[in-house]
Amino acid sequence: DAGVTQSPTHLIKTRGQQVTLRCSPKSGHDTVSWYQQALGQGPQFIFQYYEEEERQRGNFPDRFSGHQFPNYSSELNVNALLLGDSALYLCASSPSQGAGETQYFGPGTRLLVL
Amino acid sequence: AQKITQTQPGMFVQEKEAVTLDCTYDTSDPSYGLFWYKQPSSGEMIFLIYQGSYDQQNATEGRYSLNFQKARKSANLVISASQLGDSAMYFCASRRGGRRALTFGSGTRLQVQP
Repeated sequence: DAGVTQSPTHLIKTRGQQVTLRCSPKSGHDTVSWYQQALGQGPQFIFQYYEEEERQRGNFPDRFSGHQFPNYSSELNVNALLLGDSALYLCASSPSQGAGETQYFGPGTRLLVL
Repeated sequence: AQKITQTQPGMFVQEKEAVTLDCTYDTSDPSYGLFWYKQPSSGEMIFLIYQGSYDQQNATEGRYSLNFQKARKSANLVISASQLGDSAMYFCASRRGGRRALTFGSGTRLQVQP
């Protein structure tokens, strides 16, 4: 049973560029959430997608956008990158019902903005 | 907004001993879920255990148990018979009923000594 997968594992960008991160959910899961984890901190919720729509959004600017595809996979896009966007980006998938809707995380994408 | 407090930045424990990691939460919602995750140095968040606010019994998963004290708003993680592989960051998280985002604490770094 494949878990949550993310690509790429590492990424280096410069300020002002745009980046796209990808996530495939765990088998049987239809909901994908994205989190940003700065060094030394706990993850911060960016947004969640269900049925190809953004269902909830955290306190992140519009530079952060996402998409969910019919196969439940998801993308996170960040425009006009800032140095402060350097972080570990975690994708989590969950079922829409049951067991507390426990979120299972992928290995993350480490983004460095220079 | 929900808030999770983990007051122990770092903990040491001897191999084969038990250890308790503290977590307090602040919510006025009657329905919520509490989670513990382990994050090794590789970065992936590994789900350990879940407790629902209406669950009568404390959750247990193998060597992990959650000491849920609702009146005190605490959800401490107990790891029995610590192993060297338990050395990692541990995050407590909560999810409000009807909402989707996980709110994380700042984490506790556990180091298991031989």
